[in-house]
Amino acid sequence: QKEVEQDPGPLSVPEGAIVSLNCTYSNSAFQYFMWYRQYSRKGPELLMYTYSSGNKEDGRFTAQVDKSSKYISLFIRDSQPSDSATYLCAMTTGNQFYFGTGTSLTVIP
Amino acid sequence: ETGVTQTPRHLVMGMTNKKSLKCEQHLGHNAMYWYKQSAKKPLELMFVYNFKEQTENNSVPSRFSPECPNSSHLFLHLHTLQPEDSALYLCASSPRTPDQPQHFGDGTRLSIL
Repeated sequence: QKEVEQDPGPLSVPEGAIVSLNCTYSNSAFQYFMWYRQYSRKGPELLMYTYSSGNKEDGRFTAQVDKSSKYISLFIRDSQPSDSATYLCAMTTGNQFYFGTGTSLTVIP
Repeated sequence: ETGVTQTPRHLVMGMTNKKSLKCEQHLGHNAMYWYKQSAKKPLELMFVYNFKEQTENNSVPSRFSPECPNSSHLFLHLHTLQPEDSALYLCASSPRTPDQPQHFGDGTRLSIL
């Protein structure tokens, strides 16, 4: 079983839609959770960093962590064409980092 | 300059060539990383340096040789690579290992002929 599972998509939504991106994990020792956005021909860019279960909001982005279900989500409200990118989840036990494979998102104008 | 800078952005080399990738971070971080990114695969951690000391070598073939002369610079020396080594090589840094988020450069796209 992989440490981190992420649906690769691709996911295609109309502009203005709410987008939900998800990752599941198997290791209950994961403590810190991150979401990165990667545009084509660029490196991953940190979007959100959370520690505890619950929600963290930053503008149109909300990160949600459910440690009991070993499930994390990233919600994008009022999606824009500029949100078209690959989104990677990442998590760490404090000793090792693990990344998902990434979900490719296209927001259609 | 700010952030993490990688050069060159693109590199094409033959299997018998020797080349080096360079990474520089301007964030004052103490940890630096090399990753390999291939299509439809998770990022593969290759090497970790913390305060210039290598703390992890993730079973990487010896044809990849890292060098970290100081906390701001990281190199990846390449020699006698194989076609399957073609990928995007990403450098990252973080304040310390490994519980804090990593900040990435834009990578070097490597193609082996």
